[in-house]
Amino acid sequence: DTEVTQTPKHLVMGMTNKKSLKCEQHMGHRAMYWYKQKAKKPPELMFVYSYEKLSINESVPSRFSPECPNSSLLNLHLHALQPEDSALYLCASSQDRGYSYNSPLHFGNGTRLTVT
Amino acid sequence: AQKVTQAQTEISVVEKEDVTLDCVYETRDTTYYLFWYKQPPSGELVFLIRRNSFDEQNEISGRYSWNFQKSTSSFNFTITASQVVDSAVYVCALKETSGSRLTFGEGTQLTVNP
Repeated sequence: DTEVTQTPKHLVMGMTNKKSLKCEQHMGHRAMYWYKQKAKKPPELMFVYSYEKLSINESVPSRFSPECPNSSLLNLHLHALQPEDSALYLCASSQDRGYSYNSPLHFGNGTRLTVT
Repeated sequence: AQKVTQAQTEISVVEKEDVTLDCVYETRDTTYYLFWYKQPPSGELVFLIRRNSFDEQNEISGRYSWNFQKSTSSFNFTITASQVVDSAVYVCALKETSGSRLTFGEGTQLTVNP
């Protein structure tokens, strides 16, 4: 079992809906990440939180809004998405301060999002 | 800029065969880190190994082994006596100490047939 838990596993939403993806880890990691992965493509970085502060935003559209309520939780709020946003959304965590060091990322199972 | 190339898009083998997955990288840094992840159909990326650029020792873990060769900028991954459960996408990744990005390769889909 993965130590990074993501819910829900699957999500279907319309373009006018508002939904949230949730991620939780209890490994004491202080860096958390959101990635987007399209089929047969490598993960693309969206956001990085380091010590609960947003440290990297890869020019992600504002219809994606991340939130880090505490060191164990990471949310991704979704609003007015487009069909091309359909993808696997992966959460990850690592021990270090963002990307400054070499600790491996630990990934969750992901949420398969379909926007209709 | 850093780059990771996994030239093998798909590999299909029969159970018990050995299989090597290639990973070639490009970087200007002298210190960097290389990773292999396994991504089964369930979706999560499972960390397999991390290798520092200054440590060229090969590593073996059970049926898995990794061959790091700085001279050819390669970090290849071999599975010995493959099993059906090894079927997954295997992704190689590079992190430079000077930068702030983990660069992934495109991944290799390994299918092990019974």
